[in-house]
Amino acid sequence: ETGVTQTPRHLVMGMTNKKSLKCEQHLGHNAMYWYKQSAKKPLELMFVYNFKEQTENNSVPSRFSPECPNSSHLFLHLHTLQPEDSALYLCASSQNRENSPLHFGNGTRLTVT
Amino acid sequence: GQNIDQPTEMTATEGAIVQINCTYQTSGFNGLFWYQQHAGEAPTFLSYNVLDGLEEKGRFSSFLSRSKGYSYLLLKELQMKDSASYLCAVRDSNYQLIWGAGTKLIIKP
Repeated sequence: ETGVTQTPRHLVMGMTNKKSLKCEQHLGHNAMYWYKQSAKKPLELMFVYNFKEQTENNSVPSRFSPECPNSSHLFLHLHTLQPEDSALYLCASSQNRENSPLHFGNGTRLTVT
Repeated sequence: GQNIDQPTEMTATEGAIVQINCTYQTSGFNGLFWYQQHAGEAPTFLSYNVLDGLEEKGRFSSFLSRSKGYSYLLLKELQMKDSASYLCAVRDSNYQLIWGAGTKLIIKP
């Protein structure tokens, strides 16, 4: 148990489907993040929320839509994805301090067919 | 641009010592993190360095030289369970985390 829970663990979807990834943290952190992890590439930051407010959107295509209803929950809504969007999507949380490490969930392995 | 360099893959023997290097070129520096990630699992925090020198935590140690833009993670008395990817990340002057692509460590008996 990592303190950050992501569902589902695996997801296969067609390019016309709509699906959502869910993340929940039980650590009392005030910042939450979505990252994309592709094989042999650095983690790519997608979105950051601080105290439920989005503070970063790293030029992510609009087919990815985040939602943060409260400081413990984070969603990533997926719509009309492309095969190159297949990757591991990691949620993380942290305290809002420079020396605070990120705590990651186990990720959702997404395959777009 | 900003860049973090780590070897792609390393192999070591059970019981031995291995050093994983990380060099960085970033706009400013506000700390360096090491994470461990087992296949199919979450990255987990190992260490944080913000001042020069060596930080020791049991079998794992992390070293930082800010003047050289260089860090290493030292793993002693290697165990099979240490087979994993090791990720280096630097916080830049804007407090953004810049990540390396990770080093896959393979431990052989």
